[in-house]
Amino acid sequence: DTGVSQDPRHKITKRGQNVTFRCDPISEHNRLYWYRQTLGQGPEFLTYFQNEAQLEKSRLLSDRFSAERPKGSFSTLEIQRTEQGDSAMYLCASRTENEQYFGPGTRLTVT
Amino acid sequence: DAKTTQPNSMESNEEEPVHLPCNHSTISGTDYIHWYRQLPSQGPEYVIHGLTSNVNNRMASLAIAEDRKSSTLILHRATLRDAAVYYCILRPNAGGTSYGKLTFGQGTILTVHP
Repeated sequence: DTGVSQDPRHKITKRGQNVTFRCDPISEHNRLYWYRQTLGQGPEFLTYFQNEAQLEKSRLLSDRFSAERPKGSFSTLEIQRTEQGDSAMYLCASRTENEQYFGPGTRLTVT
Repeated sequence: DAKTTQPNSMESNEEEPVHLPCNHSTISGTDYIHWYRQLPSQGPEYVIHGLTSNVNNRMASLAIAEDRKSSTLILHRATLRDAAVYYCILRPNAGGTSYGKLTFGQGTILTVHP
């Protein structure tokens, strides 16, 4: 399968713990996005990478959130000191000129 | 970002055409109209996009009003697999600082009856 992959697909964690998600984009795509989606809402933009450079961050991305894309390949999204409000689906997408290809998402539940 | 307005939900019968409307009265001259859909428990999936002219692809057709203030996504023969949330999104031209990010609304929940 050559689509966007995300790992893990599901994560349950206790409040206050740190979590890290991984996204592997389609190999030839140099543009990568992270979105967050809560129940009943459309996805919300979090951050954008072009190659290894993080070019835009939403104000939704508090200082507890950090994203990296070393070497411009896979990307990681880390949430420190998780809160119950962080419970959501975290989606990664990579992009051609006209289309964004989304991964299946990581569903985070903070208890 | 320019906003779009879509009905919360629509219903269709299998094998019938479906017309999903979208209003975008504040669209700017360089905004592309994109449609994505999200099937249950999956990430969004690109459907179609256009700028001014009507567009067709293997999944759907996109009809764009002459003044570009509205558009309609047309599924020619709905199947049960088309049941999804459909999002109409205005994507600024990739130049500048938008970086092609997508601003999703709540979309239209399409139910297809057998």
